[in-house]
Amino acid sequence: AQTVTQSQPEMSVQEAETVTLSCTYDTSESDYYLFWYKQPPSRQMILVIRQEAYKQQNATENRFSVNFQKAAKSFSLKISDSQLGDAAMYFCAFDSGNTPLVFGKGTRLSVIA
Amino acid sequence: DAGVIQSPRHEVTEMGQEVTLRCKPISGHNSLFWYRQTMMRGLELLIYFNNNVPIDDSGMPEDRFSAKMPNASFSTLKIQPSEPRDSAVYFCASSCTTFGTSYNEQFFGPGTRLTVL
Repeated sequence: AQTVTQSQPEMSVQEAETVTLSCTYDTSESDYYLFWYKQPPSRQMILVIRQEAYKQQNATENRFSVNFQKAAKSFSLKISDSQLGDAAMYFCAFDSGNTPLVFGKGTRLSVIA
Repeated sequence: DAGVIQSPRHEVTEMGQEVTLRCKPISGHNSLFWYRQTMMRGLELLIYFNNNVPIDDSGMPEDRFSAKMPNASFSTLKIQPSEPRDSAVYFCASSCTTFGTSYNEQFFGPGTRLTVL
């Protein structure tokens, strides 16, 4: 069974600075997808970024980028130029295409003005 | 597109009462997922349906929980009788799923915050 581990329950970052959230996963699959979801205080789950395992190039969406290390089974999220609106819970998730998403426990990010 | 719709947004009930949570998936989506989120356990998948058929209900905590999907546009999650430890946020998500192929982005509803006193 696939597992997703987020080792940082809480993180904080100064506004305009950069922060990296960690995620590791375990799978025997070779083709899969990885996601980062954001959950602000409104509770809404918002897809931030996704990465296809067969692509070596790291995904980027504006200020959000990932560092995908397939051999190490690592999938970290980097947020550049952090903004107050980035404060939220962030969940890493794994999708093999054959089973539903498997989520990590989440990292609560605080942004300090 | 209205997105995934859940009702009610908040529910407060007393222990022993029946609770029914409702979900309307995005039109055209063929998979529906029920999740429970708590501080202690994080986001847990309870059950998911594909083409209205329950595929995996291994995450349903016990017999007090049941879920139905009578048609492609409606699903319910029922707890009977409810207990204080059922207090959580319950999310419904839907996707246009073809298992075994490309990824299937899940779209989440706003969640129902359930409090059982």
